[in-house]
Amino acid sequence: AQSVSQHNHHVILSEAASLELGCNYSYGGTVNLFWYVQYPGQHLQLLLKYFSGDPLVKGIKGFEAEFIKSKFSFNLRKPSVQWSDTAEYFCAVNDRTGGFKTIFGAGTRLFVKA
Amino acid sequence: DAMVIQNPRYQVTQFGKPVTLSCSQTLNHNVMYWYQQKSSQAPKLLFHYYDKDFNNEADTPDNFQSRRPNTSFCFLDIRSPGLGDAAMYLCATSRDHTGTAENTEAFFGQGTRLTVV
Repeated sequence: AQSVSQHNHHVILSEAASLELGCNYSYGGTVNLFWYVQYPGQHLQLLLKYFSGDPLVKGIKGFEAEFIKSKFSFNLRKPSVQWSDTAEYFCAVNDRTGGFKTIFGAGTRLFVKA
Repeated sequence: DAMVIQNPRYQVTQFGKPVTLSCSQTLNHNVMYWYQQKSSQAPKLLFHYYDKDFNNEADTPDNFQSRRPNTSFCFLDIRSPGLGDAAMYLCATSRDHTGTAENTEAFFGQGTRLTVV
């Protein structure tokens, strides 16, 4: 069965530190890839998405992610985190042809110390 | 403006007593989804509607049902809630269920946290 793995369940960083959250998926077909963020007390919202083209995708709030097809990975990065980035981050994948609907990783809780 | 609205935000129900959670959307999207999310776990897709067509995930228990009377509304019915059904239930919408990331991007409501006593 298809799955999405996020390697870190909890990450604690100081402000201005660099961030990289890992995401790997298991599916050999053509996929759409997403990162969603959930700030405390708020709903899940889209951070960025990848469909095709440049494998380095830029999203909101200075986040970016790189699709590496050979590694089945879509890691999220930010060069310098802020306290306001404290949130839970979810990687998600769906099959572009509809073979499976969007499935999520278990999430990574990021805490940024001021 | 809220685009996907779930009511209520918190629901307490008794063991075995049927409960209904509701979701409405102002996006006019074709697809509506229900996910179950337990603590520290990934949201798990229960089922989705593409327009009026209902699509159940293979491992969704029969205890969970859904209704979509029109484009804007979708309901999750739990016929006989058990203690294991306590979770956050997330409603989401998308323009389509196949194709580009733009078409399949999910828009989420704030969720309903269900407690079973």
